[in-house]
Amino acid sequence: EVQLVESGGGLVQPGGSLRLSCAASGFTFSISAMNWVRQAPGKGLEWVSSISGGGNTYYADSVKGRFTISRDNSRNTLYLQMNSLKAEDTAIYFCAKVGETGSMNMWFDYWGQGTLVTVSS
Amino acid sequence: EVVLTQSPATLSLSPGERATLSCRASQSVSRYLAWYQQKPGQAPRLLIYDASNRATGIPARFSGSGSGTDFTLTISSLEPEDFAVYYCQQRSTWPPLTFGPGTKVDVK
Repeated sequence: EVQLVESGGGLVQPGGSLRLSCAASGFTFSISAMNWVRQAPGKGLEWVSSISGGGNTYYADSVKGRFTISRDNSRNTLYLQMNSLKAEDTAIYFCAKVGETGSMNMWFDYWGQGTLVTVSS
Repeated sequence: EVVLTQSPATLSLSPGERATLSCRASQSVSRYLAWYQQKPGQAPRLLIYDASNRATGIPARFSGSGSGTDFTLTISSLEPEDFAVYYCQQRSTWPPLTFGPGTKVDVK
């Protein structure tokens, strides 16, 4: 059974940092492209970042230069390092797995339950 | 950036009725469009990928169609558990991957 479990969310002041984790199981993590998608309170879905199985990274313009996606294939874990946080980064952050293992066909067949990040003073 | 527009914003229907949701892209996305369902407090759930392919475990009452810039998600007969928000997402031209703003299907 595929499982994605996010952690690391919380309350942080503007300008602060936070690192999110997503523990994966039930599939071949090392060759699966992985993603972060966020949802501000009461709003729609916004793609944040993706990382291929080989480690190539992609970012939304809104987070480029501030967020870093990475993965530890030995721990089956995806990360999102978030620096210089702004109020508009407040959202639930979901990790999501690409639908076809080993591909970059970017639809998302499994999602975690999300972790809430609140940026406020 | 490919902008996706969904209509209507809200669709008020009764159980058993047919739901037709629209997603329009600002430029052609070929057939590289997916649909998701999201219920309050839950993560999105993949329904359809590449315009018309049902994801694993998705009931046959959900179907997708379209290509280029115009796409449709049809729920042939609404079940009580189908009342939710539905999002489309394109993967044709990225980054960025983009989602539509959503259509809420609620009980009439």
